[in-house]
Amino acid sequence: GAGVSQTPSNKVTEKGKYVELRCDPISGHTALYWYRQSLGQGPEFLIYFQGTGAADDSGLPNDRFFAVRPEGSVSTLKIQRTERGDSAVYLCASSLLPSGGTYEQFFGPGTRLTVL
Amino acid sequence: DAKTTQPTSMDCAEGRAANLPCNHSTISGNEYVYWYRQIHSQGPQYIIHGLKNNETNEMASLIITEDRKSSTLILPHATLRDTAVYYCIVGPSSGTYKYIFGTGTRLKVLA
Repeated sequence: GAGVSQTPSNKVTEKGKYVELRCDPISGHTALYWYRQSLGQGPEFLIYFQGTGAADDSGLPNDRFFAVRPEGSVSTLKIQRTERGDSAVYLCASSLLPSGGTYEQFFGPGTRLTVL
Repeated sequence: DAKTTQPTSMDCAEGRAANLPCNHSTISGNEYVYWYRQIHSQGPQYIIHGLKNNETNEMASLIITEDRKSSTLILPHATLRDTAVYYCIVGPSSGTYKYIFGTGTRLKVLA
């Protein structure tokens, strides 16, 4: 079946602009995760959704970052007043409802965000 | 901070077994060990996971020491397409299901 998809694949914006990044999880996956990855580093956790609600948003770096998942499927990561330091690859993953410790996350290809 | 430590890089000859170690000395009793890999410009790909027993699937084998403080991912016959960054992750912990990635091991398979 279809995997996790993310759009756009690349986004170039100017400092101070607003951007939205979209994630379509695997059908039936109730958990959704956002990570970001800087060059040469492992992915860094941002936020995790169980259904429509954010179960853990401890990784959001500041209040310029916000994510929603209104119907428990598609999610949008929103970044206001972008800064050059926000440039990274933003990864989305989904999984079945975590249970008993087994919760393989399936990752999308990522959105490469470049802030000029 | 990542709860795992891995060597920064390793080389392996094509056709030989690649053995990638991971130290997770602070792992707790209910945490699993997960392995992912990331090929250049792609998202991480799940490989295998285990709790305490050794595991094998079509991609790899996972050997977990009896005290669970370390593990080894084994790619039995490495190919050039196995060149990637390999991440070892432990979790879940503290009621959250986020992954905490380290910097991983960059495996280069040599022809």
